[in-house]
Amino acid sequence: NAGVMQNPRHLVRRRGQEARLRCSPMKGHSHVYWYRQLPEEGLKFMVYLQKENIIDESGMPKERFSAEFPKEGPSILRIQQVVRGDSAAYFCASSPAGEINQPQHFGDGTRLSIL
Amino acid sequence: GQQVMQIPQYQHVQEGEDFTTYCNSSTTLSNIQWYKQRPGGHPVFLIQLVKSGEVKKQKRLTFQFGEAKKNSSLHITATQTTDVGTYFCAGRARGGSNYKLTFGKGTLLTVNP
Repeated sequence: NAGVMQNPRHLVRRRGQEARLRCSPMKGHSHVYWYRQLPEEGLKFMVYLQKENIIDESGMPKERFSAEFPKEGPSILRIQQVVRGDSAAYFCASSPAGEINQPQHFGDGTRLSIL
Repeated sequence: GQQVMQIPQYQHVQEGEDFTTYCNSSTTLSNIQWYKQRPGGHPVFLIQLVKSGEVKKQKRLTFQFGEAKKNSSLHITATQTTDVGTYFCAGRARGGSNYKLTFGKGTLLTVNP
């Protein structure tokens, strides 16, 4: 019973490159959430997706950041033209469909470092 | 927007001492969840509180939800080294979307053996 799978665990990019972070939710879960965590900070909500739909992207910067959750395959968080300030841990979480007030199950995160 | 504050930011205790972290929301919550994150790890769900004044226990951990549903606490009795980590509360605003969690900044607990 695999949990939320995120890859890569660590990603190093140079300024101006693109970063792609992948997340496969738990089996049976169709709701995906992305969070960003800076050192010694809490988790900041970025975006909430269901299959093929972005439900809420209010926490995601308008520029350079995008997210998708296609019908087939993992959810992708994409950061274009990365800058030093994008360095953080990015966590994905999932929850079951149609279940309100459910806990969110987190993946191990992707630690993004920008050189 | 909704804000969730947690205090203290850090707490260092001797093994066997008790520990408490407090969480306060700027708005009334429909429910609150608690998560634990070990150093280098990911948040792991501990518990959810829904009812006003609710108290739940998990072995040495006691969770409370305030009567006004704006604050919560986590108390650990007789800490052990395995309790080390950051404890986060996360609240869902009442009347808001049922998915959006607002996390506090967490309390980092270290335990001296």
